[in-house]
Amino acid sequence: EVQLLESGGALVQPGGSLRLSCTASGFTFGNSAVSWVRQAPGKGLEWVSGISGSGSRKYYADSVRGRFTISRDNSKKTLFLQMNGLRAEDTALYYCAKISGRDGNILGDLDSWGQGTLVSVSS
Amino acid sequence: DIQLTQSPSFLSASVGDRVTITCRASQGTNRYLTWYQQKPGKAPNLLIYDTSTLQSGVPSRFSGSGSGPEFTLTISSLQPEDFATYYCQQLNNNQYTFGQGTKLEIK
Repeated sequence: EVQLLESGGALVQPGGSLRLSCTASGFTFGNSAVSWVRQAPGKGLEWVSGISGSGSRKYYADSVRGRFTISRDNSKKTLFLQMNGLRAEDTALYYCAKISGRDGNILGDLDSWGQGTLVSVSS
Repeated sequence: DIQLTQSPSFLSASVGDRVTITCRASQGTNRYLTWYQQKPGKAPNLLIYDTSTLQSGVPSRFSGSGSGPEFTLTISSLQPEDFATYYCQQLNNNQYTFGQGTKLEIK
């Protein structure tokens, strides 16, 4: 069974930094692209970033490019999201999701999700 | 940037009803669409990918159809566990876009 467990969410002041982690199990982590998706309170889903299985290819939403950095440690089966320059509008539940990879492309549908970690940006 | 607009945003229906949710893309070149279901307090769950292929374990009362720019999700006979929020999603130029969601409520 695929399991994704996010951690690292916290209350942080505007302009601050935070590092989220997502620990994976139940699948071959190093062979799978993974992604971060966020959901502001009471709002819809917003894709944040994705990374290939090897970590060599990284993708970002325009809203976070230049402020957030995605990375992974395949030896520890862990995905990271380094968030700098945080803004109030970054307040959200951050989900880690596995990309299916069924068609051989790096990015694709998100077939397994964690339960999320909450980031609140406020003074 | 491509935008996905779902209609309706809210839908009230009864158990046993047939319901259809529409997702329209602002550009019509991509013929693939994905649908997710999200229940309150839970993570989203993949329902349909490649416009019409059911994810493993998804009941056959769910179906997807369409091609750019308009796609539909149909539930043939609503069950109590289907009341949730549904999101469409498309991937274009290595960017994911989600629709705003359709909240399906019990009448």
